[in-house]
Amino acid sequence: AQKVTQAQTEISVVEKEDVTLDCVYETRDTTYYLFWYKQPPSGELVFLIRRNSFDEQNEISGRYSWNFQKSTSSFNFTITASQVVDSAVYFCALSEAGNNDMRFGAGTRLTVKP
Amino acid sequence: EAQVTQNPRYLITVTGKKLTVTCSQNMNHEYMSWYRQDPGLGLRQIYYSMNVEVTDKGDVPEGYKVSRKEKRNFPLILESPSPNQTSLYFCASSFGTGVREQYFGPGTRLTVT
Repeated sequence: AQKVTQAQTEISVVEKEDVTLDCVYETRDTTYYLFWYKQPPSGELVFLIRRNSFDEQNEISGRYSWNFQKSTSSFNFTITASQVVDSAVYFCALSEAGNNDMRFGAGTRLTVKP
Repeated sequence: EAQVTQNPRYLITVTGKKLTVTCSQNMNHEYMSWYRQDPGLGLRQIYYSMNVEVTDKGDVPEGYKVSRKEKRNFPLILESPSPNQTSLYFCASSFGTGVREQYFGPGTRLTVT
């Protein structure tokens, strides 16, 4: 069965530090999709990125970057030069093409201090 | 404005009193889903629906029912709520199947005493 592990429960950094949030997944499917969502203190869930299993190219969007490595079943998320507004809970999620259900990790709470 | 709405946003109820949490989307999405969020457990999928009259169990379906009679609506029904169903509930929708970006509602905080 599919599984997502976010081993870091909480991370605290000082503004302008770089920070990496880890995500390790398990699946038997060859076609699957990986996601990251952000949940700021206001509580809503915000989509950040979707990656399919055939696209291992790293992605960069402003201060955000994602490193997808099938060899280690990881899909890590890095925030460069963190800001206080990055403080949130971040969820990694996995969906298998043959399944249509979605499996989330437990989330990592990131606190960025001024 | 494209959105997923949930009602009510907050609900306090007693054990055994049937309740329904409504979910509606205005984006003509085929896929809709319910999740519950609990501390340390992340989001866990309760039920999902691929289209009208098509529903399927997620990870934690026990104690919940859903229906999809119209494409835009996907209510979550607790026939006999218990305290272990106290949680934060999210409805979500997406185009096509469950492998696409999901749009989430604002959440419903349910307390069962």
